[in-house]
Amino acid sequence: AQSVSQHNHHVILSEAASLELGCNYSYGGTVNLFWYVQYPGQHLQLLLKYFSGDPLVKGIKGFEAEFIKSKFSFNLRKPSVQWSDTAEYFCAVNAGRNTDKLIFGTGTRLQVFP
Amino acid sequence: DADVTQTPRNRITKTGKRIMLECSQTKGHDRMYWYRQDPGLGLRLIYYSFDVKDINKGEISDGYSVSRQAQAKFSLSLESAIPNQTALYFCATSEPGRGVSQETQYFGPGTRLLVL
Repeated sequence: AQSVSQHNHHVILSEAASLELGCNYSYGGTVNLFWYVQYPGQHLQLLLKYFSGDPLVKGIKGFEAEFIKSKFSFNLRKPSVQWSDTAEYFCAVNAGRNTDKLIFGTGTRLQVFP
Repeated sequence: DADVTQTPRNRITKTGKRIMLECSQTKGHDRMYWYRQDPGLGLRLIYYSFDVKDINKGEISDGYSVSRQAQAKFSLSLESAIPNQTALYFCATSEPGRGVSQETQYFGPGTRLLVL
């Protein structure tokens, strides 16, 4: 069965630190990949997505993610975090030609301190 | 995002009660979804619907039912609520992309449900 792993459950950083959140998926075929963010008390919002083409995807608020097919990974990065990036981050995969469902990872809680 | 609304936003109920959570969208999307979010488990799909006549079970449909009253409305019911259904419930809609699996999902604000 398809699955998504986010190994970092809780990350604590100071402002201006660099961020990388891991995401690995288990599926050998074509995948579509997403990162969603959930700010405290809010609903999930799309941060970025990869369907095809350039494996380095740029999203909103300075975030980017790199799809590495050989590693089954889609890690999220930001060079310099801000306090306002404090949120929970979810990686999601939509795999296969006729699959309509998103499989979510368990999420990574990011806390950024001033 | 006001395009997808959920009511109520918070609800406390007792074990055994029937409860309905409602979702409405003004995005004009055909596809709608219900998820539940639990700490440490991420989001899990309960039911989804591709149009008014289409209802599909998701990963954890037991104990839940849904109704797609119109393109814009998708309701989730707990027939007899139990404490382990305490969770945050999200409705989502999606726009068709190039092919079924390229959809982007848009989420409502969530309904926080507590079953005593």
